[in-house]
Amino acid sequence: AQKVTQAQTEISVVEKEDVTLDCVYETRDTTYYLFWYKQPPSGELVFLIRRNSFDEQNEISGRYSWNFQKSTSSFNFTITASQVVDSAVYFCALSEAENSGGSNYKLTFGKGTLLTVNP
Amino acid sequence: AAGVIQSPRHLIKEKRETATLKCYPIPRHDTVYWYQQGPGQDPQFLISFYEKMQSDKGSIPDRFSAQQFSDYHSELNMSSLELGDSALYFCASSTGLFADTQYFGPGTRLTVL
Repeated sequence: AQKVTQAQTEISVVEKEDVTLDCVYETRDTTYYLFWYKQPPSGELVFLIRRNSFDEQNEISGRYSWNFQKSTSSFNFTITASQVVDSAVYFCALSEAENSGGSNYKLTFGKGTLLTVNP
Repeated sequence: AAGVIQSPRHLIKEKRETATLKCYPIPRHDTVYWYQQGPGQDPQFLISFYEKMQSDKGSIPDRFSAQQFSDYHSELNMSSLELGDSALYFCASSTGLFADTQYFGPGTRLTVL
């Protein structure tokens, strides 16, 4: 069974600080997909990144960067020079390539990390 | 770019009533997922459809049913509502490609009194 652990329930930083959100996953599949979603106070779920298990390259997008390490089953997310608008709950999610045929790629989410960026 | 549309955005019902939530996927997306997010919780998978057929089922109560129509929109029907059904219900859509990204709608906030 797939499982995602986000050990940090809440993080509070001051604007311009760097912050890393941890995500550890468990899966028996060799093919799987990892995601990060942002849920601001308004409630919507905003897609940030998708990574497949065969691509361990780190990725940078503006102030956001992701570190994927299969050896430690981790997919951590770093925000550089945080801003107040980054305040949100961040979810890490896993999708396994189980069940052949059709689209059975349901997401299993971690419990989320509430990030508060103070001015 | 077009996004996933959910209606209504807010719904208030009494216990034992029924509710119908609607989801309109992104154009050319043929796969729809429904998730339930309780207060302070992570989203939990309920059910999914691919090309109008149910493709997977999670911890969805028997009181709930769903379907995907010929135009790919989907409806989640909830009967005999209970207080514990109060939650944010998300619909997400994707293409049928291998674990393609799921894009979420704004959610329907259901309150059961």
